[in-house]
Amino acid sequence: DGGITQSPKYLFRKEGQNVTLSCEQNLNHDAMYWYRQDPGQGLRLIYYSQIVNDFQKGDIAEGYSVSREKKESFPLTVTSAQKNPTAFYLCASNTNAGGANVLTFGAGSRLTVL
Amino acid sequence: AQSVAQPEDQVNVAEGNPLTVKCTYSVSGNPYLFWYVQYPNRGLQFLLKYITGDNLVKGSYGFEAEFNKSQTSFHLKKPSALVSDSALYFCAVSVRDDKIIFGKGTRLHILP
Repeated sequence: DGGITQSPKYLFRKEGQNVTLSCEQNLNHDAMYWYRQDPGQGLRLIYYSQIVNDFQKGDIAEGYSVSREKKESFPLTVTSAQKNPTAFYLCASNTNAGGANVLTFGAGSRLTVL
Repeated sequence: AQSVAQPEDQVNVAEGNPLTVKCTYSVSGNPYLFWYVQYPNRGLQFLLKYITGDNLVKGSYGFEAEFNKSQTSFHLKKPSALVSDSALYFCAVSVRDDKIIFGKGTRLHILP
């Protein structure tokens, strides 16, 4: 079945550590996205990528980094510079059609900083 | 800059009654508008979208939404609510640059 796989589902991290969240899709989608979800704040866009080897900052990119070396993969690194990293992280993808296409979401990764 | 507002954090509706979840938007240019639903600890699922054409859009599970350009709104509606409709609902907007922005979400409680 086609879809988006996020791993790990739950992750615990000590302050000062970097952590990488995996996002893999087998939908042959061009565009991929990372959102952060916090209670009462909805989904906020961190980074998005419309094509391999290119990506753009979203509204809250500070303290995060991404790469897009393969079409199928869009990993997100939460660095120690991110002041409040505890959140639910969602990866999504769609075909590259100028914003008109529906997003397919992964099941999410919950990061907790101890 | 584009933005989406969902003015209600929570909406309570009795089962069998009609429901409305509100969404207003601000964009430069013609918007693409979407509604998604989220169940606990899950990703979002697509409900419906407006791209162009008929202002009344019908989607999954009996939901519909009406695009109102003059009021910059895209409210989600259903004629008769079910308890299983209880979930978190998100409105989203994009223009032609693939940047998709979501509202803060509205928690819908359907009371039996």
